[in-house]
Amino acid sequence: DAKTTQPPSMDCAEGRAANLPCNHSTISGNEYVYWYRQIHSQGPQYIIHGLKNNETNEMASLIITEDRKSSTLILPHATLRDTAVYYCIVIGPDDKIIFGKGTRLHILP
Amino acid sequence: NAGVTQTPKFQVLKTGQSMTLQCAQDMNHEYMSWYRQDPGMGLRLIHYSVGAGITDQGEVPNGYNVSRSTTEDFPLRLLLAAPSQTSVYFCASSRGQGRTPLHFGNGTRLTVT
Repeated sequence: DAKTTQPPSMDCAEGRAANLPCNHSTISGNEYVYWYRQIHSQGPQYIIHGLKNNETNEMASLIITEDRKSSTLILPHATLRDTAVYYCIVIGPDDKIIFGKGTRLHILP
Repeated sequence: NAGVTQTPKFQVLKTGQSMTLQCAQDMNHEYMSWYRQDPGMGLRLIHYSVGAGITDQGEVPNGYNVSRSTTEDFPLRLLLAAPSQTSVYFCASSRGQGRTPLHFGNGTRLTVT
């Protein structure tokens, strides 16, 4: 089973920051938090990952709480092209990589 | 680099037929895996491989076979296709299991009638 809980859907106005939450209350010390997104029926695309520190790249920022039980993916200036399903996954070094149902993000013009 | 290449893109089978979905990667990745995605659902892991000669079962392995004779290729075989196997199939690879990001192919859309 997926180790994460995400809201099934969210809306965000174009140009605003999209903040996607993820709960992973049973995460263990050597497990990473990964985020992927899937646009239409394309193959999922890697966005970002982290262990315990906040991370930022050209696509997004990842904020992980101090107790590591939850995280937030931030798309700083959402565009219509960011409309997609976003998957939050917790993975250990030798784990099966299991996806949940993700959050369907709608960017509203 | 082409990345992860899946063929064919579309396939229609009759119940009971067999076929092989091809997956190849040119990134020298050790880890490869197959997922299926049904309408409105997330991805479910079918089989995976941590290196040539090694395969293991995922969440939904029944009805599918895999082998990994080379690092580059990880074919998925349906021996007796059933309508329940109608789905979109994605192949993915990474440098190591659970330690590096997955790279996905563009999928194979399979319909079994």
